[in-house]
Amino acid sequence: DIQMTQSPSSLSASVGDRVTITCQASQDISNYLNWYQQKPGKAPKLLIYDASNLETGVPSRFSGSGSGTDFTFTISSLQPEDIATYYCQQYDNLPLFGQGTRLEIK
Amino acid sequence: QVQLVQSGSELKKPGASVKVSCKASGYTFTSYAMNWVRQAPGQGLEWMGWINTNTGNPTYAQGFTGRFVFSLDTSVSTAYLQISSLKAEDTAVYYCARDRQPGDSVDTAGYWGQGTLVTVSS
Repeated sequence: DIQMTQSPSSLSASVGDRVTITCQASQDISNYLNWYQQKPGKAPKLLIYDASNLETGVPSRFSGSGSGTDFTFTISSLQPEDIATYYCQQYDNLPLFGQGTRLEIK
Repeated sequence: QVQLVQSGSELKKPGASVKVSCKASGYTFTSYAMNWVRQAPGQGLEWMGWINTNTGNPTYAQGFTGRFVFSLDTSVSTAYLQISSLKAEDTAVYYCARDRQPGDSVDTAGYWGQGTLVTVSS
């Protein structure tokens, strides 16, 4: 079974900072990786699909990269409304979510 | 516009059953796979499985076999999750989520329901 390791589990950053979250798969998953944002008390929202494609309507400060086993999610300039938990999700076989990264404002 | 509207919160006793509904609108229901995702209190997202809305064939993730059943009523564009023999550890928010693209496989949950809180307590 494919395992997903997402890091860090939490991070604190200032408004305007560049924020990076990583996700590592235990085997090659090509570009079969998505990123979701979940705000407290809300359903998750798709931000990035197929590792690097921005979902329609998502601000361009969000981006994703990577292929194979190593993937990166980046917020280029952190905004207060970006406070949320972020999840990666692979779908090479059956879908599986990473453990999540809780993002807080410093 | 695509909408997934789930049924309301449920409070159940251990050993009981619950059926959560997910009513879809704004698209052709049978063209897109439907995922089910669980989130226990304070925990992360767990993908439970999916149902092929064209054939009705369900696929369950490890840990969600036996007591969990996905079903459909295509006449009312609704997917269902039934959980039997409820345990305290089934307490969670359950989400339905439609795949982003049409087809007979599952990959990306593009649209989500608002979630249904199921609480299991004596």
